[in-house]
Amino acid sequence: DIQLTQSPSSLAASVGDRVTITCRASQSIGNGLNWHRHKPGKAPELLIYGASNLQSGVPSRFSASGSGTDFTLTISSLQPEDFATYYCQQSYSTVCSFGQGTRLEIK
Amino acid sequence: QVQLQESGSGLVKPSQTLSLTCGVSGDSVSSSGYSWHWIRQPPGKGLEWIGYIYPGGITYYKSSLRSRVSISVDRARDQIFLQLQSVTAADTAVYYCARAHDSSGHFTWGQGTLVTVSS
Repeated sequence: DIQLTQSPSSLAASVGDRVTITCRASQSIGNGLNWHRHKPGKAPELLIYGASNLQSGVPSRFSASGSGTDFTLTISSLQPEDFATYYCQQSYSTVCSFGQGTRLEIK
Repeated sequence: QVQLQESGSGLVKPSQTLSLTCGVSGDSVSSSGYSWHWIRQPPGKGLEWIGYIYPGGITYYKSSLRSRVSISVDRARDQIFLQLQSVTAADTAVYYCARAHDSSGHFTWGQGTLVTVSS
């Protein structure tokens, strides 16, 4: 199975900060990577699909890039609603998988 | 716009079978190019992919769950089903269904339902 490793596992930042989260796959997955934001008590939300495509309705402060094994998610200016856990997820393989998550906390 | 709603027993006894239903509205489970997934999140832990099914019935499962899990589809009723046998406390989680587009990877989540395994 393809393993996804996110870094960092947790991150403290302030409103207005620029943050970057990385996701590394154990083998090449082309551009078959999604990013999700998950707030406590709510369903996860798709932010990015196909490695770099912004989901409809998601603010433009979110962007992502990468292909093969290395991917990044960038939030250009953190807003209060962005403090949550972020997961990468691959759908390249017939057996899907998630990264372990990056918890983004208020500094 | 497709909407997904999970339902089922919120409390299951150890060693019994967990059964959940995902109701689909706004689209058909038979729509081509999509697969239907189950994902869970145990308390305090991350998201765990369980498996998925294509409308024609082909399934793929996480290797560690393959001996206990079954996903099926009722195309006439636009429902997806999850069964997990021989549950333990470790299967306590919020369970989500989701739809994925095969070529783009676009993902749509259900709201989730909590299942507790306890005697």
